[in-house]
Amino acid sequence: ETGVTQTPRHLVMGMTNKKSLKCEQHLGHNAMYWYKQSAKKPLELMFVYSLEERVENNSVPSRFSPECPNSSHLFLHLHTLQPEDSALYLCASSQDAITPPNYGYTFGSGTRLTVV
Amino acid sequence: QKEVEQDPGPLSVPEGAIVSLNCTYSNSAFQYFMWYRQYSRKGPELLMYTYSSGNKEDGRFTAQVDKSSKYISLFIRDSQPSDSATYLCAMSAAGRRALTFGSGTRLQVQP
Repeated sequence: ETGVTQTPRHLVMGMTNKKSLKCEQHLGHNAMYWYKQSAKKPLELMFVYSLEERVENNSVPSRFSPECPNSSHLFLHLHTLQPEDSALYLCASSQDAITPPNYGYTFGSGTRLTVV
Repeated sequence: QKEVEQDPGPLSVPEGAIVSLNCTYSNSAFQYFMWYRQYSRKGPELLMYTYSSGNKEDGRFTAQVDKSSKYISLFIRDSQPSDSATYLCAMSAAGRRALTFGSGTRLQVQP
């Protein structure tokens, strides 16, 4: 299997539930990202991991908790979410070095989350 | 003011037309400029990448960057129905991994 794989593709959860999103990359990349995509809004960066270390946390509420156990796997743990958290959650990976021609993300297909 | 501005569309054109998609930005530190294409129910995929100012051509696609005007463009020649998607511009400053995205322009190419 190649590329970036996200599971599940769709998730419906109540506001009191706890769930986790999973991302796996088979590209040998060293950096992984979580982005939130809401309708008619730019992609919002949530978290950046480089070599399993969190290097950026973009003022994300504590009800979102990331975990990066190794450079191939990334999780987003969810608890006590709000209806406004409903969105497409995208995982991406990239080479750590920001120099051409390696620059650019490879995205997964996303998890469509609905909070009811 | 948003760092990156992009007209959301939708933009509807007939098959074979030349399409022009644009973004403006405010951060003069941006040096890396990308265009991503996102089909429905899929994640974005990298289409074009440009460093600093100038033009880059790849088949039917041409990316232009004008740093003096803080304006980037993507041109699609001989547009096809399969080009129907949302196009996202993205950019980054040197030494920063994270990309800043526009909100995307939805393109519809009518057969």
